[in-house]
Amino acid sequence: GEKVEQHESTLSVREGDSAVINCTYTDTASSYFPWYKQEAGKGLHFVIDIRSNVDRKQSQRLIVLLDKKAKRFSLHITATQPEDSAIYFCAAGGNYKYVFGAGTRLKVIA
Amino acid sequence: DMKVTQMPRYLIKRMGENVLLECGQDMSHETMYWYRQDPGLGLQLIYISYDVDSNSEGDIPKGYRVSRKKREHFSLILDSAKTNQTSVYFCASSLSGTLNTEVFFGKGTRLTVV
Repeated sequence: GEKVEQHESTLSVREGDSAVINCTYTDTASSYFPWYKQEAGKGLHFVIDIRSNVDRKQSQRLIVLLDKKAKRFSLHITATQPEDSAIYFCAAGGNYKYVFGAGTRLKVIA
Repeated sequence: DMKVTQMPRYLIKRMGENVLLECGQDMSHETMYWYRQDPGLGLQLIYISYDVDSNSEGDIPKGYRVSRKKREHFSLILDSAKTNQTSVYFCASSLSGTLNTEVFFGKGTRLTVV
């Protein structure tokens, strides 16, 4: 089955800098790659996704890149703000089933 | 207001007791999920429900069962809880699993089995 590895367990950046979180997956059949944000004591909140028919998607300060050859995808948060501090989860899959990475704790330092 | 609601939010049970976790959604979503979250492991899928009375095991179904008698309601049952079932449980829903649409999560239930 699918396995998703999230490479950074923690990440600290200065406010205004960019943050990059990297994930790799194993199943070439995966076609959908969402990202979720979890703030302390709360559930997961969808932030952005990308489908396998494109290799880049941007939503305001968030950019997702997908490299299907390398089975790698990444979340770029530009011009980081303190409210970006949270745990970010990547996921891969499609057709009902999604496998999640272990999460990256992002800390934005003012 | 699009919401997934989980009850209770916190629960302490003794080993061997039965546990019922409830989840509701107000979006008429077809697909609902139960996950558990453990430190360093991310979210692990316990069960999927495709619609009323149409449920399927996820990756870690052992020790759990589910019930979905109404589209808006999905329950997770632990018969004779074990200490290794101490975790945070998340319910989620999506419009349709085949369309790869956004998954909405509840706020979670923190279950402690002592």
